[in-house]
Amino acid sequence: EVRLLESGGGLVQPGGSLRLSCATSGFTFNAYAIHWVRQAPGKGLEFVSSISSNGVTTNYANSVKGRFTISRDNSKNTLYLQMGSLRAEDMALYYCAREVGGLRWSWAFDVWGHGTMVTVSS
Amino acid sequence: QSALTQPPSASGSPGQSVTISCTGTSSDVGEFNYVSWYQQHPGKAPKLLIYEVNKRPSGVPDRFSGSKSDNTASLTVSGLQAEDEADYYCSSYAGINNFVLFGGGTKLTVL
Repeated sequence: EVRLLESGGGLVQPGGSLRLSCATSGFTFNAYAIHWVRQAPGKGLEFVSSISSNGVTTNYANSVKGRFTISRDNSKNTLYLQMGSLRAEDMALYYCAREVGGLRWSWAFDVWGHGTMVTVSS
Repeated sequence: QSALTQPPSASGSPGQSVTISCTGTSSDVGEFNYVSWYQQHPGKAPKLLIYEVNKRPSGVPDRFSGSKSDNTASLTVSGLQAEDEADYYCSSYAGINNFVLFGGGTKLTVL
């Protein structure tokens, strides 16, 4: 069974940092691009970041560019999101999601984790 | 305000068909055939229904279909069932400056 499991969320003060992880299993991790998508409480979905299968290509939403860094460890089948200079508007449930196209970008997400909640508050 | 525009709500009776629209611009929906649709039940992660405008992942019933015309994409749900009641989101690739844009979501009610 294909699984993605996020962790690392929690309460952080404005301006603080947090690192999210997404542990995967059940598929060939290094054959897929992976994305982060977030959802603020009661709100819609927002693309955050993505990384190619080999980690060479990374993409960021304008709202997080320069503050967040996506990375992956293909030896551990794990994706990361290093979040810095956190703001109130970053508070959301963060999902990792697999790229449906595998090596090819289709910009669609076919398998999702259950999400990890990031709360930004003093 | 979301980048792609969806109606906030839609409804239909069991067995009927409902179409949800998703309006973008010539820089996203109109330019790329990378439109996707997701279903999200309360408290659950989104589920991919349609990708690349009209492709269905394995396991998605053919009651769900997608299309696109100019800057507007559409999701049609045929033969409505009670379990189709959920929020539906569209998304589109929007180029290297914006990557992926989502619609604000449409709450589908099965009457």
